[in-house]
Amino acid sequence: DAEITQSPRHKITETGRQVTLACHQTWNHNNMFWYRQDLGHGLRLIHYSYGVQDTNKGEVSDGYSVSRSNTEDLPLTLESAASSQTSVYFCASSGDYMNTQYFGPGTRLTVL
Amino acid sequence: DQQVKQNSPSLSVQEGRISILNCDYTNSMFDYFLWYKKYPAEGPTFLISISSIKDKNEDGRFTVFLNKSAKHLSLHIVPSQPGDSAVYFCAASARVQGAQKLVFGQGTRLTINP
Repeated sequence: DAEITQSPRHKITETGRQVTLACHQTWNHNNMFWYRQDLGHGLRLIHYSYGVQDTNKGEVSDGYSVSRSNTEDLPLTLESAASSQTSVYFCASSGDYMNTQYFGPGTRLTVL
Repeated sequence: DQQVKQNSPSLSVQEGRISILNCDYTNSMFDYFLWYKKYPAEGPTFLISISSIKDKNEDGRFTVFLNKSAKHLSLHIVPSQPGDSAVYFCAASARVQGAQKLVFGQGTRLTINP
């Protein structure tokens, strides 16, 4: 069955370190998204991609970057982790002209 | 500027009764609306959706109502069951470049009491 996976599921890191969160989908979807979930804010869009080599900034992109070298993967990098980036991160994907996005299980990141 | 708002952070309902979750939006360009359900330590899962050309969509125990003039949508769950206890997010989308971006509300934690 097609799916979307994230790794690691839990990560603890220190302020200033570079961290990369992985997202892999086997739906063959062109569109991929990264969100963070924080209490009182719901899900906020960090970055998104509509296809290979395409990346776009979302609502809360400062301190984050993504790259899209193939259809299946959209890794999220925190260039220099900050305590404000402690959150739960979700990756999602959707097909062209689809309204529904499918979410991964999430990565809980703690920055000490 | 919160374009999609869920003003009730939590809701508690008796098992068997109706649960009504509300959502308001401000952007008239939104043309599709979705509800997602989220259990702890899991990703959100799609529940039900509605196009802006409709005012009601039903799927089993779940019905979504859309009032475009009031920019308001609601999710009705009848009858409510203990397994419905979860956080519910409403989301709105406007199509950009052939694909859509979703804007989410803050979420409402629904607790169904036995």
